Amino acid sequence: EAQVTQNPRYLITVTGKKLTVTCSQNMNHEYMSWYRQDPGLGLRQIYYSMNVEVTDKGDVPEGYKVSRKEKRNFPLILESPSPNQTSLYFCASSPYPRTGEAFFGQGTRLTVV
Amino acid sequence: SQQGEEDPQALSIQEGENATMNCSYKTSINNLQWYRQNSGRGLVHLILIRSNEREKHSGRLRVTLDTSKKSSSLLITASRAADTASYFCATAYTNAGKSTFGDGTTLTVKP
Repeated sequence: EAQVTQNPRYLITVTGKKLTVTCSQNMNHEYMSWYRQDPGLGLRQIYYSMNVEVTDKGDVPEGYKVSRKEKRNFPLILESPSPNQTSLYFCASSPYPRTGEAFFGQGTRLTVV
Repeated sequence: SQQGEEDPQALSIQEGENATMNCSYKTSINNLQWYRQNSGRGLVHLILIRSNEREKHSGRLRVTLDTSKKSSSLLITASRAADTASYFCATAYTNAGKSTFGDGTTLTVKP
């Protein structure tokens, strides 16, 4: 089954404790992206990757890191999480943003206390 | 502010009625996509319309695009209670990997 898998689905952590949210897709898509969703603010793009070893900042990259060492995986790293990073995070993949639909993971609800 | 902005923010209708949502954007785009999100879940792609298209249909969905006005609309005909969800437009920029989502329209269809 074609899918985007995020882990974990739920995470509660403390301020400053490094964490990684994993994202994996099995569709051989070149493009992957991370978004955060906050009430009243819609989805905002954090980082995206056009292909392996190619990543770029979205609209809200501060406090986040990503890597794209292989095509299927695109982890999101919070080196020192803060409470304002409490949010619902989505990973998505697409054959290419100009030509195809995006497939979304089920989301990771992160709480930083 | 975000590239895509939906209007209205919330819409409540009776089953069987039509629902129309609008999206405006600011810069040139390659395509515009509409997504649906059930509460707290991942987004599901509904329909994509390219910048050189004016109208597209998919089942009960009809999407229009007016690039001169930088706007799009999503029409859901003969709505059902199961259509209750949030609907987002997303724009993909020309020659770039950035995409921007609007704030969404929350649709409630009453049985």
